[in-house]
Amino acid sequence: DVKVTQSSRYLVKRTGEKVFLECVQDMDHENMFWYRQDPGLGLRLIYFSYDVKMKEKGDIPEGYSVSREKKERFSLILESASTNQTSMYLCASSPWRAGQEETQYFGPGTRLLVL
Amino acid sequence: LAKTTQPISMDSYEGQEVNITCSHNNIATNDYITWYQQFPSQGPRFIIQGYKTKVTNEVASLFIPADRKSSTLSLPRVSLSDTAVYYCLVGDSSNNNDMRFGAGTRLTVKP
Repeated sequence: DVKVTQSSRYLVKRTGEKVFLECVQDMDHENMFWYRQDPGLGLRLIYFSYDVKMKEKGDIPEGYSVSREKKERFSLILESASTNQTSMYLCASSPWRAGQEETQYFGPGTRLLVL
Repeated sequence: LAKTTQPISMDSYEGQEVNITCSHNNIATNDYITWYQQFPSQGPRFIIQGYKTKVTNEVASLFIPADRKSSTLSLPRVSLSDTAVYYCLVGDSSNNNDMRFGAGTRLTVKP
């Protein structure tokens, strides 16, 4: 089974702090994603990466950055946390299969509260 | 990006068949249709995927008409544990930036 783990289930930070959310997958997947989920808005894509050291902006990248130094690890960074970044953060990974549809495998999520 | 439209919520009773329809009028030739299920405090998980006609697995069936402008997820004989949010996604897997989750359909199964 694919396993996607996230470093914390719950996190409380103060406004202005730098926050690191870590995600690790154990299936050698090429693609990794960071989403945030807010009530009534579904999942919104922040950033994704299709290879080591590669990153692409999603729909809401402002206020976030990412790092992918190793294939299995994808980090989301909040440079200066703000209260409007209080949310559930979900990491996902997927393999790349030429000519076939991919499915995404999600971690359990990190619920971040910024005070 | 292909846009999908689903009902915001649905109610059902245990033992009934539930059909959730997703509209995707601007689906492209290379696009697949994928459904995910999400329970509270968990990440979404893959349920079923298809390109055309009908796909069935141990969890659900997916019906796709010939024009592919909509699809219907069918859950046979639902139980209370099927209460969840169901997401329909349409996209081209060859384009990593193509898939998007919408707001989903919140299914509530009642006893």
